[in-house]
Amino acid sequence: DVKVTQSSRYLVKRTGEKVFLECVQDMDHENMFWYRQDPGLGLRLIYFSYDVKMKEKGDIPEGYSVSREKKERFSLILESASTNQTSMYLCASSPGAGYTGELFFGEGSRLTVL
Amino acid sequence: GDSVTQMEGPVTLSEEAFLTINCTYTATGYPSLFWYVQYPGEGLQLLLKATKADDKGSNKGFEATYRKETTSFHLEKGSVQVSDSAVYFCALSPNSGGSNYKLTFGKGTLLTVNP
Repeated sequence: DVKVTQSSRYLVKRTGEKVFLECVQDMDHENMFWYRQDPGLGLRLIYFSYDVKMKEKGDIPEGYSVSREKKERFSLILESASTNQTSMYLCASSPGAGYTGELFFGEGSRLTVL
Repeated sequence: GDSVTQMEGPVTLSEEAFLTINCTYTATGYPSLFWYVQYPGEGLQLLLKATKADDKGSNKGFEATYRKETTSFHLEKGSVQVSDSAVYFCALSPNSGGSNYKLTFGKGTLLTVNP
């Protein structure tokens, strides 16, 4: 089974702190994604990556950056956390070129910014 | 661009009731269609999928049929259980993979089933 692991299930941070959310997948997938989930807004894509060191902006990249130094790991970075970034963050992965199937999701990281 | 519109919730049913959650889409070509489920405190799990017109996806008693003429993929279950309480997301993917491949999701529908 594909396993996508997010390092922290629950985090509480202060406004202005730098926050790292880590995601690791164990199926050698090329594509990795970060979404945020908010009530009434569904899932919104923040960033995605289709290869090591490659990244593309999603629909709501402002206030976020990402890093993909190794194929299995995709990190989401909040340089200076703000209260409006309180949310559930979901990491996902999928195989690469030619694939048209589903994404595989981690358990989610619930971030609260005070 | 691609979009997914699904029934607004929340939906509250009694155990053994019939469930329908509507989903319609806008996309070019022939997308694949998915239903995901999110149980409380967990990530998203694939519930079922269909990759071409008239396909029926099914799993755990849930069914959905890919209707190209009505651009719909409605989720149904004949008899819901308390354990089906969750958020359900409809999603679509483009019909060609590539470096920009990604899914488009609906906003989710919260289902609560009471005993």
